[in-house]
Amino acid sequence: AQSVTQLGSHVSVSEGALVLLRCNYSSSVPPYLFWYVQYPNQGLQLLLKYTSAATLVKGINGFEAEFKKSETSFHLTKPSAHMSDAAEYFCAVTPYSSASKIIFGSGTRLSIRP
Amino acid sequence: DTAVSQTPKYLVTQMGNDKSIKCEQNLGHDTMYWYKQDSKKFLKIMFSYNNKELIINETVPNRFSPKSPDKAHLNLHINSLELGDSAVYFCASSQKASGSSYEQYFGPGTRLTVT
Repeated sequence: AQSVTQLGSHVSVSEGALVLLRCNYSSSVPPYLFWYVQYPNQGLQLLLKYTSAATLVKGINGFEAEFKKSETSFHLTKPSAHMSDAAEYFCAVTPYSSASKIIFGSGTRLSIRP
Repeated sequence: DTAVSQTPKYLVTQMGNDKSIKCEQNLGHDTMYWYKQDSKKFLKIMFSYNNKELIINETVPNRFSPKSPDKAHLNLHINSLELGDSAVYFCASSQKASGSSYEQYFGPGTRLTVT
């Protein structure tokens, strides 16, 4: 069975500071991993995805994530936060052998301080 | 061009009423989903259809009935609405075919308020 744990329901950083949002997964088979972003009053938008190719994945808006199998982690980072990055971020996992269901984490709200 | 669209965007109704939410995708995907997002932003999958066939049916009250007239549409009908049904409902679609990376594309959501 697959599961996702996002550490920290709320993260606050200063504008220009490093953003680090943590995600750990559990999967009995090789997983596909995703990060989605949800801006206020909008649907979810795909930021980036890991599909068993390169372990360092670059996404939109300057975000990237690194798949670490030994740590079962897929943390999301951005070198320099921008005010427009304030949103809810969701980590998600699906077993690559079966795409029937994506399991979402509980989300992390990112706030940016001026 | 909107990839996944939902109507209506807002829905306010009274307890006991019956309502429907419509979803359409123009991405050519073969799989569609309904999610419920509660006030704490927790996303819970409700249903999934692949080529008009129900493949996921989570523990959802049978007052909720999905219907997929074709691959591009997945509607959600809710009978006898209750206060606890108040939430944001998201439609999503993906391509389940071999070789796909299975990411889901989401609609803008329908905010349902039951009074």
